[in-house]
Amino acid sequence: AQKITQTQPGMFVQEKEAVTLDCTYDTSDPSYGLFWYKQPSSGEMIFLIYQGSYDQQNATEGRYSLNFQKARKSANLVISASQLGDSAMYFCAMRGFGNEKLTFGTGTRLTIIP
Amino acid sequence: DSGVTQTPKHLITATGQRVTLRCSPRSGDLSVYWYQQSLDQGLQFLIQYYNGEERAKGNILERFSAQQFPDLHSELNLSSLELGDSALYFCASSVRTALDTQYFGPGTRLTVL
Repeated sequence: AQKITQTQPGMFVQEKEAVTLDCTYDTSDPSYGLFWYKQPSSGEMIFLIYQGSYDQQNATEGRYSLNFQKARKSANLVISASQLGDSAMYFCAMRGFGNEKLTFGTGTRLTIIP
Repeated sequence: DSGVTQTPKHLITATGQRVTLRCSPRSGDLSVYWYQQSLDQGLQFLIQYYNGEERAKGNILERFSAQQFPDLHSELNLSSLELGDSALYFCASSVRTALDTQYFGPGTRLTVL
């Protein structure tokens, strides 16, 4: 079974500061993928970034980077230079190779303060 | 815009009724997934289709069914609706399966009164 844990239900961050959203996972799959999605108040789920379990380097996509520490089973999302538009729910998710579904965490509500 | 379309955007209906949610995947994607997002259960995987065939099943109730058509669009049918079925229903698509990224549609918000 796979499990995602997001321990921060809510965070408040000053605009332009960097923010780290925590995610830990548990799986017995030798190969897996980790994903982060953003859900604004409008409701859609927006894909942000992906990290494969065998990737040697941490994934980056613009202002988003994934701090992947395999031994600690953590996949934290780092947003640099936060903007007001970053205010949203953020979900960490994973799937194992051959396991079709995404398993989601409970999410972190991020609020950027001007 | 993810390229995944879902209709309708909102649906309000009464208990006991039946509704159909429709999803068109991104061009070229063969896999379609359905998820339910509710306040008490969070995001839950319901079912997956790959190129017209059912591929995986999650926590999908027997009152719910889905199919994927030859043009790859998919429909989720919800019957004998209960108050607890009120939720946001997402469709997602990916190129194949394995570890491909799933791109989500805007969702259909279902309210059962």
